[in-house]
Order: sequence, then C-alpha cells, then structure tokens
Amino acid sequence: DAKTTQPPSMDCAEGRAANLPCNHSTISGNEYVYWYRQIHSQGPQYIIHGLKNNETNEMASLIITEDRKSSTLILPHATLRDTAVYYCIVRPRAGTASKLTFGTGTRLQVTL
Amino acid sequence: NAGVTQTPKFQVLKTGQSMTLQCAQDMNHEYMSWYRQDPGMGLRLIHYSVGAGITDQGEVPNGYNVSRSTTEDFPLRLLSAAPSQTSVYFCASSYSKGGRTSTDTQYFGPGTRLTVL
Repeated sequence: DAKTTQPPSMDCAEGRAANLPCNHSTISGNEYVYWYRQIHSQGPQYIIHGLKNNETNEMASLIITEDRKSSTLILPHATLRDTAVYYCIVRPRAGTASKLTFGTGTRLQVTL
Repeated sequence: NAGVTQTPKFQVLKTGQSMTLQCAQDMNHEYMSWYRQDPGMGLRLIHYSVGAGITDQGEVPNGYNVSRSTTEDFPLRLLSAAPSQTSVYFCASSYSKGGRTSTDTQYFGPGTRLTVL
C-alpha cells in the first residue's frame, strides 16, 4: 500500500472549515484514498473515501488532485466534537479485503 | 444492531499470564481484524480473517493467536503476556465482497485497554 504524509497537528476555530491535507505521491491506479478519524480513546470511525473524483457525504468532502498525488479532507463547519486524530489511508480498491495501514495522522484541535 | 463489541474493556495481567480478548459483530461481516495502538502511535494490524476458518498474520503477529470458527466471533489470545503487549486493542469488521460497488468500510469496536505488569 502507498504511504501517506500528513501534518502532525492543526488548529481550527469552531464554525470555520477545517482543511486537512494528505500527500500520497506513490499512489497507484487501483488505490483508493480513505479517511478515518479517532476521537479520544474511541475506535476509529470511517469518514469518506474516493478514487479520483471529489466526494461529499454528510460528514465531509474529499478533494483529490487531478494527478491523485494529494488530497484534502474538508470539514465544512468544524465543531468541538470534531476534535480528533484524522488518518489518511490509501489502499487497493474496495472489495479486496486488504488491511488498513494507519500512520500517525493529524491531530485536529477545534477551539472556541 | 450492536455493531462490533469487545470484552473486557479493561484488563490487568501479570507477565506470563494468558487471556483471550473477545470480539463479536452482528452485521454478518466476512472480514474481521485485530489492531493494537500504543500511546501516540497509529494502529498496527495484528491478525485478520477474510471469513470463517481463514486467518492470516498482519504487521505485528508475534505473541498472539487467533481463530475464526464462526462469522460472528474473532477472539485474540495472548498465550504468555509480556509488558510489551501493554496497549489498546481494537477489533474491526467489514462486509468484504468483491465488486466495484463494495465500499469495504471498516467498523471498529470500542477497544480493550490491556496492562501487563
């Protein structure tokens, strides 16, 4: 699986958009970009995933660059409950039952 | 659905003791896995299973055994606990089915916090 690089920490004011970057320059054509988050002491929670098109769901938006070497997770209106560690993961296409490889992620701190 | 459940939530062992961490899911998921998370670190895969009767090693399998006799249960056994196994253990499951439309999203349990003295 391709490796990812994320900043270790970021701050965001409540109500503002949180933009979390991820570099995955060695991603291959059959690999998806997944985002999970882990709120303190809890199990990781799935957020969103995509292949090459931008994706949006009720939690977040995922913007993938045209060359697929990087992506950005956007939380449009961050709240205090979004304070967590966010993991960007690349892995082969859905349905192959391959494992998730977690890095150290980005610790997002949302403040008043 | 209860989702993914893990027991116990907390456990303290002495070096050399054995124990089994329980994991169960009621979503009829084929794929189940065990991760450990040390302080300040990301999750590391211990063992995984793609279906009943099939298991395989992950990144850090030494010191751990697993079995998958049913779709629902995936217990993790520590045969002789060591202080290096002090960690938080997470179990996860996903509905892994081949095909373009499968999202293969993994659902995690709440974790078991294990301390080995």
